[in-house]
Amino acid sequence: EIVLTQSPGTLSLSPGERATLSCRASQSVSSNFLVWYQQRPGQAPRLLIYGASNRATGIPDRFSGSGSGTDFTLTISRLEPEDFAVYFCLHNGGSLWTFGQGTKVEI
Amino acid sequence: QVHLVESGGGVVQPGGSLRLSCAASGFTFSNYGMHWVRQAPGKGLEWVTFIENDGNTKYYADSVKGRFSISRDNSKSTLYLQMNTLRAEDTAVYYCANWGRSGSSPYYIYYIDVWGKGTTVTVSS
Repeated sequence: EIVLTQSPGTLSLSPGERATLSCRASQSVSSNFLVWYQQRPGQAPRLLIYGASNRATGIPDRFSGSGSGTDFTLTISRLEPEDFAVYFCLHNGGSLWTFGQGTKVEI
Repeated sequence: QVHLVESGGGVVQPGGSLRLSCAASGFTFSNYGMHWVRQAPGKGLEWVTFIENDGNTKYYADSVKGRFSISRDNSKSTLYLQMNTLRAEDTAVYYCANWGRSGSSPYYIYYIDVWGKGTTVTVSS
């Protein structure tokens, strides 16, 4: 079973700053199977990035994903007030899906 | 526009049962696999179960295997989750979500796409 470890647990930043979130897999995974979500307080998760680097429909270009193998990164180039939220990565295992524990981006 | 609405949550005693429903609209339900994902209070996301579009293939997390059962009625565009022998640790918000894809055959990239707003299940005596 793939284990995803996200870091840091909490990221304290200001609007306009750059956020870099990490998702590390316990073994090498295909980039096609790595997904990122945003969850604002009291809301359902929202798809941001699929296939490690593809922005979902309607996602602003300040969000970008990169990485391969065991190390993946979500970057928010310039934080907007609505970006302060929790971010999760997900591995599509084919018959088992695994989430990271999340990174909270706070002001 | 994909729209998913969960229902059926509530308070149930340990050992009890509950059936959740997820009404889908805005897309051809019978063409898409579907997931249930849960989130315990103040915790992260936990994948629970998946069903293929035709209902023939199902997968479960170890934590619910043998107790939960996923099913679907494509004629009603509705997804179900039958939860038996409930435990305190099953307390969570339960989300349904569709299994989206991009690209072209055979190079599709798949992902859990649109999520409903969730329904809350509380297991407590």
